[in-house]
Amino acid sequence: QQPVQSPQAVILREGEDAVINCSSSKALYSVHWYRQKHGEAPVFLMILLKGGEQKGHDKISASFNEKKQQSSLYLTASQLSYSGTYFCGTEIDIGNEKLTFGTGTRLTIIP
Amino acid sequence: DARVTQTPRHKVTEMGQEVTMRCQPILGHNTVFWYRQTMMQGLELLAYFRNRAPLDDSGMPKDRFSAEMPDATLATLKIQPSEPRDSAVYFCASGLWDREDYGYTFGSGTRLTVV
Repeated sequence: QQPVQSPQAVILREGEDAVINCSSSKALYSVHWYRQKHGEAPVFLMILLKGGEQKGHDKISASFNEKKQQSSLYLTASQLSYSGTYFCGTEIDIGNEKLTFGTGTRLTIIP
Repeated sequence: DARVTQTPRHKVTEMGQEVTMRCQPILGHNTVFWYRQTMMQGLELLAYFRNRAPLDDSGMPKDRFSAEMPDATLATLKIQPSEPRDSAVYFCASGLWDREDYGYTFGSGTRLTVV
């Protein structure tokens, strides 16, 4: 079942922060985050596994709340290069690793 | 950097014709996915393989689509006969699912237009 992402779109000025949410109606084994720029392929950002709560590198981090089956992606001090569509992908359990993507969140950073 | 190679990059074909898309996963990766992306449906999972064995193809229209992995270096997606509603970008992705921080690498995609 497809995870639900919010918001669908957001516009920020350079330097502002953003939070993108991903929620599932099913218990999750893992949550992946990807970014896709227009006309390009999705690029892997990070993965959070069941039992792990938070991860990050540079100014992009994410959290995973197992009880709520939710994950959030945090982008701080956004840069122009952060523009793109962000997708979360979920795996339900270790015996069923097919990765199902949410509908995406379009992030636009303006100078 | 290692990359997933997809061919062709673009394909325009007439309705009813057979279309074959190819994917060369990254050497050593044991999991291969096929996704279809459209504006309306987003990224839809069509099929995936683990160690060349098909694990799930429930997202694929069985009457016209087929996916195979004849060897570890090649995955194929065929559409026969093609229809205009099949127009989309088809992505292949590969990865090692048992590595905590690995994730999946996507190919550049095949943009299919069926007229």
